[in-house]
Amino acid sequence: EDKVVQSPLSLVVHEGDTVTLNCSYEVTNFRSLLWYKQEKKAPTFLFMLTSSGIEKKSGRLSSILDKKELFSILNITATQTGDSAVYLCAVNMNSGGSNYKLTFGKGTLLTVNP
Amino acid sequence: DAGITQSPRHKVTETGTPVTLRCHQTENHRYMYWYRQDPGHGLRLIHYSYGVKDTDKGEVSDGYSVSRSKTEDFLLTLESATSSQTSVYFCAISESKGFVFFGPGTRLTVL
Repeated sequence: EDKVVQSPLSLVVHEGDTVTLNCSYEVTNFRSLLWYKQEKKAPTFLFMLTSSGIEKKSGRLSSILDKKELFSILNITATQTGDSAVYLCAVNMNSGGSNYKLTFGKGTLLTVNP
Repeated sequence: DAGITQSPRHKVTETGTPVTLRCHQTENHRYMYWYRQDPGHGLRLIHYSYGVKDTDKGEVSDGYSVSRSKTEDFLLTLESATSSQTSVYFCAISESKGFVFFGPGTRLTVL
């Protein structure tokens, strides 16, 4: 059975801290891994990773994929209260064509206190 | 933001009532998806479409049907709503490079 596991399930930090969120997966025919941020609304896209060892960066957020060990991490440096959200990891499997069905983890709830 | 709208945004209905949720996109993307999000379960795929009149089931399709008569519209129907279908429903679209974008969501309550 395909599965995506995120850890920790929740995390409370202070502004300025650096956090690392984890996502491990066991899926057949891996194609890509995506990270989303969800506040009290729809998930918003952060990164898509397809190759091992290539870091994706956007401001204070960065992510990397390890296809050998089957995991990805999302780093947030110098956290701000606006980073408080649920962070979702999702994996797309190659089922032929360009279909991008996603299997999601349960998310990590990050709370950043001032 | 990707050009995705969902309607209605909120709905309260009674058990046994038929309900249709609409997803509309302006991006002309081929693939469209319906997910539901529930505490403890995360986001789960209900149905998806890979073209006009081409649809297939996801992991939680029981009790749901879909239709896609135009590229821009993807409808999700609950033929006879049950309380277990109380959820937040998200539509998503994707293009050939693999980026998947979500609509604003519909909060459905079945009493």
